[in-house]
Amino acid sequence: NAGVMQNPRHLVRRRGQEARLRCSPMKGHSHVYWYRQLPEEGLKFMVYLQKENIIDESGMPKERFSAEFPKEGPSILRIQQVVRGDSAAYFCASSPPTGFQETQYFGPGTRLLVL
Amino acid sequence: GENVEQHPSTLSVQEGDSAVIKCTYSDSASNYFPWYKQELGKRPQLIIDIRSNVGEKKDQRIAVTLNKTAKHFSLHITETQPEDSAVYFCAATPHTGNQFYFGTGTSLTVIP
Repeated sequence: NAGVMQNPRHLVRRRGQEARLRCSPMKGHSHVYWYRQLPEEGLKFMVYLQKENIIDESGMPKERFSAEFPKEGPSILRIQQVVRGDSAAYFCASSPPTGFQETQYFGPGTRLLVL
Repeated sequence: GENVEQHPSTLSVQEGDSAVIKCTYSDSASNYFPWYKQELGKRPQLIIDIRSNVGEKKDQRIAVTLNKTAKHFSLHITETQPEDSAVYFCAATPHTGNQFYFGTGTSLTVIP
């Protein structure tokens, strides 16, 4: 049973480019969460999605950031016109659809570096 | 949303001693509190969790206690070993959702 998968593991972008981060949840999981971790800091909630629905995006910047979790395929976190301050590790986590406030399992993260 | 505070930010202990990390939360209706361990460059991994209907939970050398009245919970690691060295994060979920709000982390160093 494969765990949460993320790709790419490392991503380098120049200022103004777009970054696309992908997350495949654990098999059987239908809830996906994205968190951002700045260097030497904790994990900050960004967005919570279920298949084809954004449940809570209160932690996501209003501009340049978007997320989706289509019926088929991985969840995608998209950052447009990246700036140096977007450099961080982006982790996704998944949980099963069985109930409320379930354990979350994290992927290995994507480390984004904006030059 | 939920506000979680974590102390201390760094902690050094001698091998074999105990380590205690404390967290407070703001949403009195929160009812799920996981603890994650993150080694350098790795993903956070769940080490123990507790729900609000339980006051204490133990798993070998690791235990978590919860005081709902005071809105705080603590991680206790006994007989620490060098491989316990890592950053530990507490988290809480708001009563309205499933997402986690994390504390700022505690960097634990176990000195051999």
